[in-house]
Amino acid sequence: QLQLQESGPGLVKPSETLSLTCTVSGGSISSSSYYWGWIRQPPGKGLEWIGSIYYSGSTYYNPSLKSRVTISVDTSKNQFSLKLSSVTAADTAVYYCAGATVYWGQGTLVTVSS
Amino acid sequence: QSVLTQPPSASGTPGQRVTISCSGSSSNIGSNTVNWYQQLPGTAPKLLIYSNNQRPSGVPDRFSGSKSGTSASLAISGLQSEDEADYYCAAWDDSLNGSWVFGGGTKLTVL
Repeated sequence: QLQLQESGPGLVKPSETLSLTCTVSGGSISSSSYYWGWIRQPPGKGLEWIGSIYYSGSTYYNPSLKSRVTISVDTSKNQFSLKLSSVTAADTAVYYCAGATVYWGQGTLVTVSS
Repeated sequence: QSVLTQPPSASGTPGQRVTISCSGSSSNIGSNTVNWYQQLPGTAPKLLIYSNNQRPSGVPDRFSGSKSGTSASLAISGLQSEDEADYYCAAWDDSLNGSWVFGGGTKLTVL
């Protein structure tokens, strides 16, 4: 069974870039069986899909975030990453990585504040 | 405002059957399958139902899903106190270049 674990800074300054990594264990990130994605949840609010990357390399992003988001895969490390640029306080949220929206990491809180 | 519409709250007493609705459009629920997630307080969402009505291994058969047209429903029978959680529906949306969309979530209270 796949296990996912998010890692990265818990505090990011406004206007800077948020960078998170998701480490996958229990399976290969290169497998065609899965796609990999990021979802976030602002405190006390609902879930928001950020984007996904497929084994083919194709990426799909939330239209409302597309201009600021990059998702990439590092097959050598069995990891995939999220970069969100020009962050504001509105980007403060728990960020989850997920495999095929089936397997989820535990989530990591990222606060945007100076 | 979420693309998929769910009631913000639902409630029931132990043993009851409750249903949670999820309304969408032709570009999401109308043309793609629906997933349901359960989020217990302070934890990550857990897949409860996939492909409209399929349960992953380990999910009790008290949970069931259905879809009709541009709407979907999650039913929980034999309600238990541990079912108190937030529930979210999700579906792929074919509009623009494609994206996953979620419902706003329904907080289920077991009275």
